[in-house]
Amino acid sequence: DAGVIQSPRHEVTEMGQEVTLRCKPISGHNSLFWYRQTMMRGLELLIYFNNNVPIDDSGMPEDRFSAKMPNASFSTLKIQPSEPRDSAVYFCASIPSGTGLVETQYFGPGTRLLVL
Amino acid sequence: RKEVEQDPGPFNVPEGATVAFNCTYSNSASQSFFWYRQDCRKEPKLLMSVYSSGNEDGRFTAQLNRASQYISLLIRDSKLSDSATYLCVVNLMNTGFQKLVFGTGTRLLVSP
Repeated sequence: DAGVIQSPRHEVTEMGQEVTLRCKPISGHNSLFWYRQTMMRGLELLIYFNNNVPIDDSGMPEDRFSAKMPNASFSTLKIQPSEPRDSAVYFCASIPSGTGLVETQYFGPGTRLLVL
Repeated sequence: RKEVEQDPGPFNVPEGATVAFNCTYSNSASQSFFWYRQDCRKEPKLLMSVYSSGNEDGRFTAQLNRASQYISLLIRDSKLSDSATYLCVVNLMNTGFQKLVFGTGTRLLVSP
């Protein structure tokens, strides 16, 4: 089992550029979460998909952020345009189908984003 | 006010010491409670669930006080490998689905 796969692992970009983060959940998992982690605010839920459908996006900071899940094996989080305050570690997590237990989330290794 | 509050630490303790972390949560509708562990530059991982009756897993003991909205984690006989950040986590049932709310974490450093 490869676990949750995220790419890139590190991203350095300049303010105003578009950033796309990618996530491949574990095969057979039907719920996917995007989180952002900063020192000041900790780990915050951005958006949650169930069976590829966005269920809760109330944590998405603003219109510059968008997320998609075109199929069960792939999701993207896009920031356009990026700003220095978007610098953070972005985690993707997935839950096995049928458990219904949100605490059984498997986290990916994260993408470290630095916006200059 | 943050939904989940923790002392950020760091807690510096020698090997073999007993250390306790506390956490408070603000939403009385919180359904379930957990401690996660996060190593430096790694992803968070579930350490243990927290039950009202208290629960123990080896050297780790977790307690929940719903009346005071307070959660604790006790680590006995601490090891060097216990050095990490410990995240207090609350599960909220929000509009029909579950949502984990994380504290900012308490950092533990265990020294030889």
